[in-house]
Amino acid sequence: DSGVTQTPKHLITATGQRVTLRCSPRSGDLSVYWYQQSLDQGLQFLIQYYNGEERAKGNILERFSAQQFPDLHSELNLSSLELGDSALYFCASSVAEAGELFFGEGSRLTVL
Amino acid sequence: GEDVEQSLFLSVREGDSSVINCTYTDSSSTYLYWYKQEPGAGLQLLTYIFSNMDMKQDQRLTVLLNKKDKHLSLRIADTQTGDSAIYFCAESPLGAGSYQLTFGKGTKLSVIP
Repeated sequence: DSGVTQTPKHLITATGQRVTLRCSPRSGDLSVYWYQQSLDQGLQFLIQYYNGEERAKGNILERFSAQQFPDLHSELNLSSLELGDSALYFCASSVAEAGELFFGEGSRLTVL
Repeated sequence: GEDVEQSLFLSVREGDSSVINCTYTDSSSTYLYWYKQEPGAGLQLLTYIFSNMDMKQDQRLTVLLNKKDKHLSLRIADTQTGDSAIYFCAESPLGAGSYQLTFGKGTKLSVIP
């Protein structure tokens, strides 16, 4: 158990819908990262937050957004969902802006 | 651009050594990592190597880095069935203020009893 909690574990929805994935980092970790894992693209870095502020952006679509709240949990919002958004979404956390990443078990999103 | 390449599959017999290879393109990478993903689980950091090192050993794991060829390998000695998983190579670019890792697509290791 990495200490990073992600909910929901599984989510099935339809194209055009909007979903929110939630992540609670390890106690004391200030940085949260979101990654997308799909069969064709592999693991792609989406976005990082540190202590509530956006730190870095990767291959995140404009339809996706994220935030980190004062209690340090983070949410990833995915809107206008397409079939190609079906993937495993991982959250990871680290103590500081850079450090060993601890991954959650992921949220599996299926878009039908 | 950054790119990390790995072979997709490796099959070994229990008790043999496994060698998983990775090549990367970003010559400025400071840290290179090996992660393990078991079915239904997140990624677990196995080991990492700093780019000024050639080798790192940690119990059954040996990491070799050839910086000139941008080649990284992970050797697992005495491979066990519990080592069956997907192994990801990842790099962290120099100067990044965070661990924005670039991952390979993973090598699925199957251990035959």
